[in-house]
Amino acid sequence: AQSVTQLDSQVPVFEEAPVELRCNYSSSVSVYLFWYVQYPNQGLQLLLKYLSGSTLVKGINGFEAEFNKSQTSFHLRKPSVHISDTAEYFCAVNNQAGTALIFGKGTTLSVSS
Amino acid sequence: GAGVSQSPSNKVTEKGKDVELRCDPISGHTALYWYRQSLGQGLEFLIYFQGNSAPDKSGLPSDRFSAERTGGSVSTLTIQRTQQEDSAVYLCASSFWTAGTDTQYFGPGTRLTVL
Repeated sequence: AQSVTQLDSQVPVFEEAPVELRCNYSSSVSVYLFWYVQYPNQGLQLLLKYLSGSTLVKGINGFEAEFNKSQTSFHLRKPSVHISDTAEYFCAVNNQAGTALIFGKGTTLSVSS
Repeated sequence: GAGVSQSPSNKVTEKGKDVELRCDPISGHTALYWYRQSLGQGLEFLIYFQGNSAPDKSGLPSDRFSAERTGGSVSTLTIQRTQQEDSAVYLCASSFWTAGTDTQYFGPGTRLTVL
């Protein structure tokens, strides 16, 4: 069965510092991986996704993630964060039937000056 | 263009009452999903519609929950005899085709509070 574990529920960081949000997955079928972001009082929007090909995926707002099959990970990174990156970040994997996404419990990124 | 819209944005109801939540997907999107977001549980899949195929209802938590999609567009999620544990934000999403690879576009959600 598919599952997603986000290892950190909260990540506080100072502005302009690098950040990594960790995500591990478990899957018994072909895996497609996603990162979504939810800004305060807004809906979820896609940051990036991995379907196949290059294991380094670049997304919006300067974020990138690397798919690591041997470690079953899909960590999200940004070299220099801004106050505006404060949000909740969700990692997700396709379910076995291909009918929905299975989400992790989310990581709250708090960027302060 | 217009995104996914949901109504109402907030709903407060009393335990035991029925509620209906509405979702208008992006025009032309054939797939529609309902999720529930609650504290401590994250986002949970509820139900998936794809064109005229039978929906995937495997995520519905009990038979008090049902959903329909009329004309391949608007969807209504109905919760009968609401319980306090049903309090959550109900999110609707749509995608052009299949859930496995397509980007899902989410609505702003309906916050349901059961007193």
